[in-house]
Amino acid sequence: DGGITQSPKYLFRKEGQNVTLSCEQNLNHDAMYWYRQDPGQGLRLIYYSQIVNDFQKGDIAEGYSVSREKKESFPLTVTSAQKNPTAFYLCASTSGTGYSNQPQHFGDGTRLSIL
Amino acid sequence: AQSVTQLGSHVSVSEGALVLLRCNYSSSVPPYLFWYVQYPNQGLQLLLKYTTGATLVKGINGFEAEFKKSETSFHLTKPSAHMSDAAEYFCAVGAASNFGNEKLTFGTGTRLTIIP
Repeated sequence: DGGITQSPKYLFRKEGQNVTLSCEQNLNHDAMYWYRQDPGQGLRLIYYSQIVNDFQKGDIAEGYSVSREKKESFPLTVTSAQKNPTAFYLCASTSGTGYSNQPQHFGDGTRLSIL
Repeated sequence: AQSVTQLGSHVSVSEGALVLLRCNYSSSVPPYLFWYVQYPNQGLQLLLKYTTGATLVKGINGFEAEFKKSETSFHLTKPSAHMSDAAEYFCAVGAASNFGNEKLTFGTGTRLTIIP
């Protein structure tokens, strides 16, 4: 079945450490997104990518980095510059291009905590 | 720019009662609107979407929503609540970016509790 796979499901970060969250999709979607979810704040966009080798900052990009070397993969690195990384991270993708109205498909998330 | 307001961060209804979750939006262009559901420790699943055409949209699990342009609303309803409906619900509005691909703006969510 097609879908989005996020790994790991749980991740712990030590002080000063960078950690990378994996997101892989086999839906052949062009666009991919990373969101951060905190209680009571909904989903906030970190980064998004519409094509390979191109990505754009979202609303809360500081302290995060991404790459898009392959269409199916969009890993997110939480750097040591992100001082409050504890959150639930969701990856999404969509086939939307242009002014498309296609919905986003989501993975099951990675919960990141500080040790 | 677009925004979404979900009225009521927590809603409780009795099993079998009407479910009404409120969503108001603002958008400078004609919006497309979505409702998603999230179960604990899972991602979001699409319930329904409005793009163009019929303003009453039917989704999965017996949910429906009505787009009311004059009220800038897209409230989610279900005639009879079931215990399995207990989850968090998010309303989202889409708008095209400069590159033409849409970004979604999400509301802060409404946690629905079903009382047996």
